[in-house]
Amino acid sequence: DSGVTQTPKHLITATGQRVTLRCSPRSGDLSVYWYQQSLDQGLQFLIQYYNGEERAKGNILERFSAQQFPDLHSELNLSSLELGDSALYFCASSMGLAGDSYEQYFGPGTRLTVT
Amino acid sequence: DAKTTQPNSMESNEEEPVHLPCNHSTISGTDYIHWYRQLPSQGPEYVIHGLTSNVNNRMASLAIAEDRKSSTLILHRATLRDAAVYYCILSNYGQNFVFGPGTRLSVLP
Repeated sequence: DSGVTQTPKHLITATGQRVTLRCSPRSGDLSVYWYQQSLDQGLQFLIQYYNGEERAKGNILERFSAQQFPDLHSELNLSSLELGDSALYFCASSMGLAGDSYEQYFGPGTRLTVT
Repeated sequence: DAKTTQPNSMESNEEEPVHLPCNHSTISGTDYIHWYRQLPSQGPEYVIHGLTSNVNNRMASLAIAEDRKSSTLILHRATLRDAAVYYCILSNYGQNFVFGPGTRLSVLP
């Protein structure tokens, strides 16, 4: 158990809909990262927050957005869902700002299925 | 982003050492070398990381070439539980962790 929790574990929704994925980081971790893992694209970095502020952006679509709240939990919002958004979404947390010094701890993931 | 190259797959016998190579010829001076692994149906798990010197922890050892253009993750005694996809990642101040396809390690009993 990494200490990172993600809800829900599974989500099935229809195209065009909007969903919110939630992540609670390990106690004391200030950085939260979101990743998408699909069969054809592998594990892709989406976005990073540190203490409530966006710090780095990866291959995140404009239809996707995220935020980190004062209690440090984070939410990833996915809108206008398409079939291709079906994937595993992982959240990770780390202690510091830089991932070079502090390892990332990954949650169990949320499996999103868009039908 | 600096890229890494790893073999697609490797096989090992249980209780034998495993050496997983990674090439990163375009590594910059501030890039750290990270290794993560992903067991089936789980999120990635941190294994080890280093900058210039070889590193050891309870899970593995990381051997870094003197020119830093390659590194090797060493599992000293492979167990069935070590069967996973191993990712070698370069990170410059934590920006944009780029996971490549990794190396799928199979451990034979």
